[in-house]
Amino acid sequence: KNQVEQSPQSLIILEGKNCTLQCNYTVSPFSNLRWYKQDTGRGPVSLTIMTFSENTKSNGRYTATLDADTKQSSLHITASQLSDSASYICVVSLTGANNLFFGTGTRLTVIP
Amino acid sequence: NAGVMQNPRHLVRRRGQEARLRCSPMKGHSHVYWYRQLPEEGLKFMVYLQKENIIDESGMPKERFSAEFPKEGPSILRIQQVVRGDSAAYFCASSPPSRGFYEQYFGPGTRLTVT
Repeated sequence: KNQVEQSPQSLIILEGKNCTLQCNYTVSPFSNLRWYKQDTGRGPVSLTIMTFSENTKSNGRYTATLDADTKQSSLHITASQLSDSASYICVVSLTGANNLFFGTGTRLTVIP
Repeated sequence: NAGVMQNPRHLVRRRGQEARLRCSPMKGHSHVYWYRQLPEEGLKFMVYLQKENIIDESGMPKERFSAEFPKEGPSILRIQQVVRGDSAAYFCASSPPSRGFYEQYFGPGTRLTVT
């Protein structure tokens, strides 16, 4: 069964601190993995996309890593800001398929 | 270049009524996807359309739900005889016509409440 699991479900950190979010997937055959940020009441916005051959990709203060062998990915946020408060969603797509498999997200709250 | 637009943003329907959700893709995008997000759950794929064609509707319930993407105008997700379980956020995404993997750009969603 194709599944995407994320941990933790929720996380509260102080402004300026770093954090790491985890994603494990069982989707196969794997094509690519994406991290999205979803603000409350808004649609998801893409942060990174990685294929199976990529180990890491950065987008500003966001750095995603991928281990295709263990089927794990992480999203590291550096020097968090209040505007980072959102849900972070791990999304995996199948080779040759059109649909995406979404995790339930990690709800991050950054407090001053 | 305006992003993906969805309307209405909020829709309230009584049980048994019809709900029509609209999605205008980004300019130049000819692929549209519909997703549903139930409370406390991740987004779930429903249907993938190109202009005038349904490519993949494997995630859409067989009854009461239909989708179209006409040659002209927005894509429409139609839910007939709504039930309380249809209450959810419905997101539309679009992507440009290209081979290989593609970026999907999401709209702000339509929140459907069935009373």
